Amino acid sequence: SQQGEEDPQALSIQEGENATMNCSYKTSINNLQWYRQNSGRGLVHLILIRSNEREKHSGRLRVTLDTSKKSSSLLITASRAADTASYFCATDRRNQGGKLIFGQGTELSVKP
Amino acid sequence: EAGVAQSPRYKIIEKRQSVAFWCNPISGHATLYWYQQILGQGPKLLIQFQNNGVVDDSQLPKDRFSAERLKGVDSTLKIQPAKLEDSAVYLCASSLEGYTEAFFGQGTRLTVV
Repeated sequence: SQQGEEDPQALSIQEGENATMNCSYKTSINNLQWYRQNSGRGLVHLILIRSNEREKHSGRLRVTLDTSKKSSSLLITASRAADTASYFCATDRRNQGGKLIFGQGTELSVKP
Repeated sequence: EAGVAQSPRYKIIEKRQSVAFWCNPISGHATLYWYQQILGQGPKLLIQFQNNGVVDDSQLPKDRFSAERLKGVDSTLKIQPAKLEDSAVYLCASSLEGYTEAFFGQGTRLTVV
């Protein structure tokens, strides 16, 4: 079964705008990760945030985690056409040996 | 550093035939995952290995799917016999250990006709 649910399922924006994607999950976690997948390719790790962290930055990416609401958000600032891809959140549950469960993803389209 | 290698990249088979996929993880990575990704969906975990032991295979259809990890390094995933609904991309990933970032291969796109 899928652990995470992303929202929205699809997002279309103009280059230079910010993109925000949300992820909700059901059970207690150790970490939450975000991945990107370009069409027809494997997934690429973007960022990992631990359950005791609230916010993390990496370049133009900002991830927040609210464990009380069991939700996370990924913000991409100043988006570029090259950011067009599907974005997935993945969680690993406590005491399950790092079992990594993915959500259904958000499909982001950035128009030049 | 070499990435996760998978082969073949593409495979077309008829239903009821068998097929095998191969994965070579990043050297030193103890954890290996196999995922099934159907078009338009997120990856679904089929099986997770820690070295050569199985951590989780609760989503693996064991009547037709099998997987092994030889000597805790390479892994193969087999489907026998294949069904039409097995058409998907099969992704292999590895990580140093559980609870860390996973590195993915390019995947094998399987079409069952």
